[in-house]
Amino acid sequence: ELKVEQNPLFLSMQEGKNYTIYCNYSTTSDRLYWYRQDPGKSLESLFVLLSNGAVKQEGRLMASLDTKARLSTLHITAAVHDLSATYFCAVEVGNSGYALNFGKGTSLLVTP
Amino acid sequence: NAGVTQTPKFQVLKTGQSMTLQCAQDMNHNSMYWYRQDPGMGLRLIYYSASEGTTDKGEVPNGYNVSRLNKREFSLRLESAAPSQTSVYFCASSLDAIYEQYFGPGTRLTVT
Repeated sequence: ELKVEQNPLFLSMQEGKNYTIYCNYSTTSDRLYWYRQDPGKSLESLFVLLSNGAVKQEGRLMASLDTKARLSTLHITAAVHDLSATYFCAVEVGNSGYALNFGKGTSLLVTP
Repeated sequence: NAGVTQTPKFQVLKTGQSMTLQCAQDMNHNSMYWYRQDPGMGLRLIYYSASEGTTDKGEVPNGYNVSRLNKREFSLRLESAAPSQTSVYFCASSLDAIYEQYFGPGTRLTVT
C-alpha cells in the first residue's frame, strides 16, 4: 500500500525566512504533484514533477523530485503572508496512471 | 470557462437518505475524479473515470456509486447516507493521466 507522508504537518514561520516541506512516499513512482489549498477553498495545482531530478520554480516556491530517494521537497524562499495555506503532495498509485494518493497536508502560517 | 462546477455547495441529509452530487467540466478533459476530504486525512479518491464510458474504484468506494454521463459530467451517488459520509466532496478533472487535476469548489455534506 502506498503511503505518502508530509513533514511537517504544521509550520509557523516568520516573513522573510526560508523553509522546506518534505514529502516521502513508500513505493516507486515517477510522478508527483503539489497542490495548494486556502482555508475553505478548493485545491489549486502548483507543480507537476514527472521525472527524477525534476525541478520547478514559481515565485517563492521551488519543488524538486528525487525518485530514487522517494522524496520531493517544496522550498519556500523569503516567505510572505500570502503563502499561508495548506500544501499537499500527491503521488500516482500503482499502474493505473490516474489514481493519486495525497499526503495529509502541511498547514503553513506565515507571520509578520 | 467555468472550469469544474459542482452542485450543490451544501447539503444536509438524514441517515438513510439518498442523493446525487453533480459535477461538470468545460475544459474538454478526458478524465474525471471524485475525492472526499476529512480533517487531518488529506484527500482520498472515491472513484475515477479515465475516459468517457469507464469508471474505476479508488481508495474508498464503499457506499458510493458513480456515473460518467458523458465527457463533461461525472456524478456521485450516495444510495443510503451514513454519518461516516459526512465530508467535503471534491470533483476534479484532467486532460489525461499525467496532467494536473483541476478541482471544483467542493460540496460540504453533513449526514445526521
